[in-house]
Amino acid sequence: EAGVVQSPRYKIIEKKQPVAFWCNPISGHNTLYWYRQNLGQGPELLIRYENEEAVDDSQLPKDRFSAERLKGVDSTLKIQPAELGDSAVYLCASRARGGSNEQFFGPGTRLTVL
Amino acid sequence: GQNIDQPTEMTATEGAIVQINCTYQTSGFNGLFWYQQHAGEAPTFLSYNVLDGLEEKGRFSSFLSRSKGYSYLLLKELQMKDSASYLCAVSNTGNQFYFGTGTSLTVIP
Repeated sequence: EAGVVQSPRYKIIEKKQPVAFWCNPISGHNTLYWYRQNLGQGPELLIRYENEEAVDDSQLPKDRFSAERLKGVDSTLKIQPAELGDSAVYLCASRARGGSNEQFFGPGTRLTVL
Repeated sequence: GQNIDQPTEMTATEGAIVQINCTYQTSGFNGLFWYQQHAGEAPTFLSYNVLDGLEEKGRFSSFLSRSKGYSYLLLKELQMKDSASYLCAVSNTGNQFYFGTGTSLTVIP
């Protein structure tokens, strides 16, 4: 079974430029999470989807960040415009309904804003 | 928000046993997770506790006391490859998920 897929793996952009990240969760997983992880820190939740509905986006900086999961499968996270402080690893995770609540993480996208 | 505390760094010797502690404060507790994260890689699941007591899985065990808001991860027969960051995470009944800052474990020969 394929795991969570993310692309790109690395992205370097200049500040004020837009950037987008893509995530394809494990097949059948209805819950999808986007996290941001700064160096030496734990992941911080940005947004959580249950199917196509964003049920928790309280930590998403909505002035510059947006996300969508139109068909309840894959998802995109966008930053426009990017700032220097956005440099981090952006992790996507998915979870199946029921079970142990275990989340499966993708490899992440390492963003560097210059 | 949630308060999740764990030590920043630990060092242990190959072959030894190490215990990584985690304390938390949350409302509507619905489970505690331990994840392992090697540098530059994604977190991988180690263990899950929702009831009090010890869960054993090979060289790794995890303990939970809900009344004390306390958990620990126990690693036995340490190997060099166990050098990694260990993340404690708590979920609540609202399906929210919060990570601690992680404990960086260094295993030395």
